[in-house]
Amino acid sequence: EAQVTQNPRYLITVTGKKLTVTCSQNMNHEYMSWYRQDPGLGLRQIYYSMNVEVTDKGDVPEGYKVSRKEKRNFPLILESPSPNQTSLYFCASWRNTEAFFGQGTRLTVV
Amino acid sequence: AQSVTQLGSHVSVSEGALVLLRCNYSSSVPPYLFWYVQYPNQGLQLLLKYTSAATLVKGINGFEAEFKKSETSFHLTKPSAHMSDAAEYFCAVSDRNFGNEKLTFGTGTRLTIIP
Repeated sequence: EAQVTQNPRYLITVTGKKLTVTCSQNMNHEYMSWYRQDPGLGLRQIYYSMNVEVTDKGDVPEGYKVSRKEKRNFPLILESPSPNQTSLYFCASWRNTEAFFGQGTRLTVV
Repeated sequence: AQSVTQLGSHVSVSEGALVLLRCNYSSSVPPYLFWYVQYPNQGLQLLLKYTSAATLVKGINGFEAEFKKSETSFHLTKPSAHMSDAAEYFCAVSDRNFGNEKLTFGTGTRLTIIP
């Protein structure tokens, strides 16, 4: 089954404790990206990757890092999480004009 | 820069009534336009998309949308609402920049169905 898999689905952490949210797709898509969803703001792009070893900033990249060492995986790294990064995060991969989204990761930073 | 405006953060309709969710876009080039649906605790699912073919686009679950260039609109409709349509709906635009397949989303409309 074609899918984008994110882990974990839910995470509560403390300020400053590094964390990684994993994203994996099995559709051999070149393009992947991360979004965060906040009430009243819709979804905003954090980072994107056009292919292996090619990443670039989206609209709200501050406080985040990503890597793309292999085509299927695109982890989101928060080196020092802060409460304003409490949000719902989505990973997506693209085929032509269509985006496929993961189930989301609800992150709470206390 | 491209943008999307969804009028009405909350819309309530009676079961069996017409569903109309509004979306207006701003784009400097002919856009691709999308509607996504998000059910509680789930990711986003594509309902339909406009990519410069027919202006009336039919999607899943009986939804359709019409691209009106003169009004810069892409409103989502369904003739008869069903309880299972209760969800949050997002309109999105892509400016066909193939260096970044970015979707710019609206702020979402939460649809409630009244029994």
